[in-house]
Amino acid sequence: EVQLVESGGGFFQPGESLRLSCAASGFTFSDNWMHWVRQGPGKGLVWVSLINNYGTSTIYADSVKGRFTISRDNARNTVYLQINSLRAEDTAQYFCARGGDRNFDFWGQGTLVTVSS
Amino acid sequence: IVLTQSPGTLSLSPGERATLSCRASQSVDRDYLAWYQQKPGQTPRLLIYRASTRATGITDRFSGSGSGTDFTLIISRLEPEDFAVYYCQYYDDSPQVTFGGGTKVEI
Repeated sequence: EVQLVESGGGFFQPGESLRLSCAASGFTFSDNWMHWVRQGPGKGLVWVSLINNYGTSTIYADSVKGRFTISRDNARNTVYLQINSLRAEDTAQYFCARGGDRNFDFWGQGTLVTVSS
Repeated sequence: IVLTQSPGTLSLSPGERATLSCRASQSVDRDYLAWYQQKPGQTPRLLIYRASTRATGITDRFSGSGSGTDFTLIISRLEPEDFAVYYCQYYDDSPQVTFGGGTKVEI
C-alpha cells in the first residue's frame, strides 16, 4: 500500500525557516518524481515544487522561487521541502504527492504550517 | 496557463447529474489534464487523467471529456459521498503545474 506521511509543520514566526519531510513507503521511491502542493485555509490547491526521481532536477512555482528548496534522499525514501524567510502567506496545509502520468496519483495527509507573530 | 472552473458552487440533489467546467486560457494538450476530488478535511484524490481516463478504483459515474480549451467532468448520478470540491489540473512540458480554482458540489 502506497503511503506518504508528511511531518515538520507547526507554528512559526515570520522570518523563521523550517524543513518539511515526507516519508514514502509501499512503492519504489526512486522510480517516481515527487511534488509539494499547498492549500491555504479555505483556499484551493497550489502546486509548489517538483523533483525528479534522481534528485537532479527541481522546478518551483514562481511564487516560491528563491525561498523554497526541494530535495530528496532515495536511501531514506524521503522528500523534503525547506522554506526560508517564512511569511504569513505561507500559512497552509502542505501535501506531498507522488508524480504519476502528468498527474498526482497519491497524496499524503498533509502537514499544517502556520506563520504568525 | 490559467484554468478557470465554473460554476464556483453547484447546488444539486442526490440522483441528479453534475456538469463541471474547466476552461484553459489557451489550447492545451488533453493528455495533461486531470481532475481531483477533495472532501472536507481530506486529501485530494485523483479521479480522471488524460482528460477522460478514470483512475484506479473510480466509479464509472465519473466521466471526463474535452479538448483544446474546454474540458468537462460529469457525475452522472450524484451519490451522497460525491458532495465535495473538484479541481482540474494541467501539467505542462516546462514542467509547471496549474490547478483551477475548484467547483464545490453541495446538496
